Amino acid sequence: SSELTQDPAVSVALGQTVRITCQGDSLRSYYASWYQQKPGQAPVLVIYGKNNRPSGIPDRFSGSSSGNTASLTITGAQAEDEADYYCNSRDSSGNHLDFGTGTKVTVL
Amino acid sequence: QVQLQESGPGLVKPSGTLSLTCAVSGGSISSSNWWSWVRQPPGKGLEWIGEIYHSGSTNYNPSLKSRVTISVDKSKNQFSLKLSSVTAADTAVYYCARNSDYWSVKVDVWGKGTTVTVSS
Repeated sequence: SSELTQDPAVSVALGQTVRITCQGDSLRSYYASWYQQKPGQAPVLVIYGKNNRPSGIPDRFSGSSSGNTASLTITGAQAEDEADYYCNSRDSSGNHLDFGTGTKVTVL
Repeated sequence: QVQLQESGPGLVKPSGTLSLTCAVSGGSISSSNWWSWVRQPPGKGLEWIGEIYHSGSTNYNPSLKSRVTISVDKSKNQFSLKLSSVTAADTAVYYCARNSDYWSVKVDVWGKGTTVTVSS
C-alpha cells in the first residue's frame, strides 16, 4: 500500500487556484514529482524536483514542499486541468518508488 | 525523442506468468536512465512494480518482489517484465516508463500502456 497520502478529490472553480497535497515521511528526505492523468491516457509529468516543469507544461502548475508534505498548485485552473493527479517519490529507504493515492480534480 | 512501446499477451491464465516487453526507440537504453514498470488496476491508482538500470541493477516493489523479474536486453534496446503466479488482482494496465533522475524521480517518458487481463 502507498505511503504517500493524498485527498481523494478536490474541486475548483474555473480560473481559481487549487492546491493538492501529498503527505509522507519520505518527503522529509526526497522531492515529490507530480503526474496528471486523464481517462484512458498514460500519466504526464507536470512537476519534478524542487519546482521544475518539463517543457510544454504551463506555468500555472507549480510545486512546493514543507516537512512531510508536498503540494501541487494550479493557479488559474482551466477546464483541461480536470484529471487525476498523483505524487511520486523515493521511499524512505531510497531504493523504491512510491506513488500517492491520487487526487481527482474537478473544474467547475 | 525517446518513445516507449509495451508489447505482450493481453490475456494470462491464473497461476501463469505475465510477460511484457518495452521497446525503446529514439534513444539508447544504455543512457543514464532507470527504466520502470508501473501498473494501474481498473479504476484504481498507480502502483510501481520495479526498475532497472542498463547495468542490470534492479529495485523491486517489496510487495511484489517474490514474483517479479525485470531484465534488460541492450542488443535489442528493450527491457522486460515477468510476473509469476498471477491472479485476478494482477489485472491492470501495465506501463513502461523512463526515470531520468533517480533521486528527484523524473519519470518523463511513458509508454501508452497495455491491458493485461488474468482470467481462465
